Amino acid sequence: DIQMTQSPASLSASLGETVTIECRASEDIYNGLAWYQQKPGKSPQLLIYNANSLHTGVPSRFSGSGSGTQYSLKINSLQSEDVASYFCQQYYNYPNTFGAGTKLELK
Amino acid sequence: EVQLVESGGSLVQPGGSLKLSCVASGFTFSNYWMDWVRQTPGKSLEWIGEINTDGSKTNYAPSIKDRFTISRDNAKSTLYLQMSNVKSDDTAIYYCTRSYVMDAWGQGASVTVSS
Repeated sequence: DIQMTQSPASLSASLGETVTIECRASEDIYNGLAWYQQKPGKSPQLLIYNANSLHTGVPSRFSGSGSGTQYSLKINSLQSEDVASYFCQQYYNYPNTFGAGTKLELK
Repeated sequence: EVQLVESGGSLVQPGGSLKLSCVASGFTFSNYWMDWVRQTPGKSLEWIGEINTDGSKTNYAPSIKDRFTISRDNAKSTLYLQMSNVKSDDTAIYYCTRSYVMDAWGQGASVTVSS
């Protein structure tokens, strides 16, 4: 199985700040990566697919980048509604696997 | 509006069986592969498996080890997860999702395995 190592596990940031979350795959996943946001008590929601494609309706302050084994999610100008947990997922190879998640809080 | 609604979650004894359902609406269900994902109490996400558009092909996570079966009824726009010989580690929230790039999720069905 491809292991997804996500960092940091938790993050505290101020409103308006830029935040970066990273995922490292145990092997090349050729941009087969998605990012999800999960707000407390809700289901995860797709933010980014194919490593850098913004899902319909997702604010443009979210962006994804990376290649090979290293990927990142950036949130520009942090808003209060961005408080959530974030997960990466690789779908390049079976079984699909997820990172352990990053819990983002306001400072 | 795309909607996925799971049902069938409950308390089940170790070794028992349970069948979850997921009713889809707002899109042409028969055009999409569908997946099941679970989230454990520790909050990590685990892919369970997927089924192709006509139900003829399935893929599963090795950890499921032939205990779970995914099926679908396109006439009813419904996805199923049959769980057998359940264990305490199967305690989780179970989500159905649209495709492996999971652009739609249900609200989740809670399954607790305990005696």
